[in-house]
Amino acid sequence: DGGITQSPKYLFRKEGQNVTLSCEQNLNHDAMYWYRQDPGQGLRLIYYSQIVNDFQKGDIAEGYSVSREKKESFPLTVTSAQKNPTAFYLCASIPAGSYEQYFGPGTRLTVT
Amino acid sequence: QKEVEQDPGPLSVPEGAIVSLNCTYSNSAFQYFMWYRQYSRKGPELLMYTYSSGNKEDGRFTAQVDKSSKYISLFIRDSQPSDSATYLCGLMDTGRRALTFGSGTRLQVQP
Repeated sequence: DGGITQSPKYLFRKEGQNVTLSCEQNLNHDAMYWYRQDPGQGLRLIYYSQIVNDFQKGDIAEGYSVSREKKESFPLTVTSAQKNPTAFYLCASIPAGSYEQYFGPGTRLTVT
Repeated sequence: QKEVEQDPGPLSVPEGAIVSLNCTYSNSAFQYFMWYRQYSRKGPELLMYTYSSGNKEDGRFTAQVDKSSKYISLFIRDSQPSDSATYLCGLMDTGRRALTFGSGTRLQVQP
């Protein structure tokens, strides 16, 4: 059963704690992306990776970090430096040679 | 000014109506244009994908792109209550292969 999986669906953390969100895909897609969605603001790009062991900052990278050690995995760490971490986080991927971007089901992070 | 402008709605129509959703953009680097449907608390689902000016049809959905006016549209024919969702336009520059999104339009189709 192919697809993009994100876990957990809901995540709760205390302020000041780092938290890592999981994103896995078994579609053999080469590029992977992290977006953040806030009410009324659409989706904004946090980080992206076109190939393994390489990634670039998106439009709102401050307070986040990523790694891409395997083609199928692109975890996102929300650090304590992120001022407003509560949001809906979406992972996406694109097949090689394509521009069609597909999304996972998302993780809703709440920090109190 | 945002790179991509989209009316947030909400847009309420009766079942069977033709729905028109639109986005305007300012960056000529955008070469690929996508429409996504997003149900509440779910990931966006890719509906339509186009890269040239003109129309592309898929079932009840038609995507229209006018690069000279920097204007894109999604038309939904014979709208159904199950079409009630938020519709997002996503525009892609080929360098990053990443999307810049509009804020989304919330659509409600009344039975």
